[in-house]
Parts: sequence; structure tokens; C-alpha cells
Amino acid sequence: EAGVTQSPTHLIKTRGQQATLRCSPISGHTSVYWYQQALGLGLQFLLWYDEGEERNRGNFPPRFSGRQFPNYSSELNVNALELEDSALYLCASSLIEPERNTEAFFGQGTRLTVV
Amino acid sequence: AQSVTQLGSHVSVSEGALVLLRCNYSSSVPPYLFWYVQYPNQGLQLLLKYTSAATLVKGINGFEAEFKKSETSFHLTKPSAHMSDAAEYFCAVKGGSYIPTFGRGTSLIVHP
Repeated sequence: EAGVTQSPTHLIKTRGQQATLRCSPISGHTSVYWYQQALGLGLQFLLWYDEGEERNRGNFPPRFSGRQFPNYSSELNVNALELEDSALYLCASSLIEPERNTEAFFGQGTRLTVV
Repeated sequence: AQSVTQLGSHVSVSEGALVLLRCNYSSSVPPYLFWYVQYPNQGLQLLLKYTSAATLVKGINGFEAEFKKSETSFHLTKPSAHMSDAAEYFCAVKGGSYIPTFGRGTSLIVHP
């Protein structure tokens, strides 16, 4: 069974440009999470999508946005890129159970570099 | 609200020595707890999870963790470190939320 896949693996953009990152969840998973992993800061929660809807977002500016498609794949858009947006962006997928005890499965990440 | 604190951004051990990575959590409801490992330039892989079935949880690669409610801790241990264990380790909590909250991570360094 295929795991979570992210594309592209690496992305280099110029300050002020827009970046689009893509994620395909594990088959059967309806939830997708996006995290930003900047050096030394651990994983910072960006966005959560479930069943095509944005369910929650972290403490990031509105230029970070995304969507989830009917097949549950997702994309993350970052507008007006700034140098500090350079980071590893991780996508994870999960089943949603009432008990909340299911783990998230992560992709390999997209390394975004803003120059 | 939920949060995780990982004590020590770096832990250094000799090959064959005990590994102890610390994690303390805060949660307003009984939590679910997870440990993940991240190798360089890769995503996170689940090591083990606590889901209230047993307080001592065994995971992959010889790791285990013990849930201690009185201490709000979920420390990760391995009796004997291998060179291949060198990686970044993350503790995560799900309290009253479907969103996992992660600690800042601990880098495990293993010396020959």
C-alpha cells in the first residue's frame, strides 16, 4: 500500500513569489494535516483538512492557505514568500476516529527554499 | 489545551548505553501519546503510541515508553543504543483535539 506522497521534493522560489505544495494521503484516509518544520522549531501546525473542509488552522498568516480535493489529496499554497518561509513542509494523513487514538502517517516532505 | 515539552534538544550516548529521551505533556483530558523518529531529510515514522490499553508500550527497533499519569510523562527508552538510532525524536500528544501537537524534538547522537 502506498504511503503519503508529497511533491515536489525540493522547491526553490524567489521572495515574493507563490509556492504550491501537493500531498496525496494514504488510501482511505480522509484527514490531511500540514506542518512546517523550520530549523530548531520542531513541527508547527499549519492546517487540518477533513472530508474536503478546513477544520482548523494554526497561528500562521493568511498567505498560508490550502484546500482538499474530493479524492482527499491536498495542496498548500504560500503566497508572497518571505525568506523565513524556508523550511521542510510535512504532510500527514490519518483516519479520524471518535477516540482520537489514531496516529498520523507522514510523507517525506517538501523542502522549500526562498532566496 | 495540549502541549508537549521535550527536555534536552540533544542527547549524546555511547553505543551500547541506555537511551532515555524525556517527554512531559499537558492535556485537559486523558491524552493519547506518540513517539516518532525522523532520519535526515525524511518524514516522521511512528515508533510507538499510548492509547490507554497499557502504561508500558513497546515499539519498533527495541524502543519502549512508559505512561506515568502522576508525573505527566511519557519518556522513551532503549536498553542499548545502536549507531543506527542516531536521529531526531519527537513526542506528540492528542488531548481534546484531533490535531497532534509535537514537541521541539530531541536529537540523539550515538558515539562509537
